[in-house]
Amino acid sequence: AQSVTQLGSHVSVSEGALVLLRCNYSSSVPPYLFWYVQYPNQGLQLLLKYTTGATLVKGINGFEAEFKKSETSFHLTKPSAHMSDAAEYFCAVSANTGNQFYFGTGTSLTVIP
Amino acid sequence: NAGVMQNPRHLVRRRGQEARLRCSPMKGHSHVYWYRQLPEEGLKFMVYLQKENIIDESGMPKERFSAEFPKEGPSILRIQQVVRGDSAAYFCASSPQGPEAFFGQGTRLTVV
Repeated sequence: AQSVTQLGSHVSVSEGALVLLRCNYSSSVPPYLFWYVQYPNQGLQLLLKYTTGATLVKGINGFEAEFKKSETSFHLTKPSAHMSDAAEYFCAVSANTGNQFYFGTGTSLTVIP
Repeated sequence: NAGVMQNPRHLVRRRGQEARLRCSPMKGHSHVYWYRQLPEEGLKFMVYLQKENIIDESGMPKERFSAEFPKEGPSILRIQQVVRGDSAAYFCASSPQGPEAFFGQGTRLTVV
């Protein structure tokens, strides 16, 4: 079985500061890992994904995440926050069979000017 | 290539009525997922379907909720005799055979 824990339901950063959103997962099989972003009243948009290969994954809008198997983590980072990054971010895990996606409860990111 | 299309975007139903939510997957995608999002909560898996088959419905409430994905046409999530607690955003996602899901804009159901 798979599950996801996102630490911190609300994160605030200053514009230009580092963004770090935490995600830990549990999976009984090799996982596929995802970060999605949701803007108000919108659907979810894929930011980045890890399936196999390089453990540092680069996504859209300057975000990246690193798969650390030893820590069962897949934290999302961005070196410099922009006002447009304010949104809800969801981490998700899927078994490598791609059967079902398990989502965390989300982290709301606020960017302070 | 159009994305995942959900309609309606907003749906208001009185208690006891039926709600039908539609999802047209992306072209070439034969896998559909339905999720429910309650305020201040994450996405809760409801059901996973392939064409004409329900693969996993472990997240579906046992009563009043049903889903289908016919050979032709959109996937339908049906909620009978809606109650206030059914008010939520319902998201559909589709995927090709593989580990990536593309989401629709969601249907926001309000039960009054």
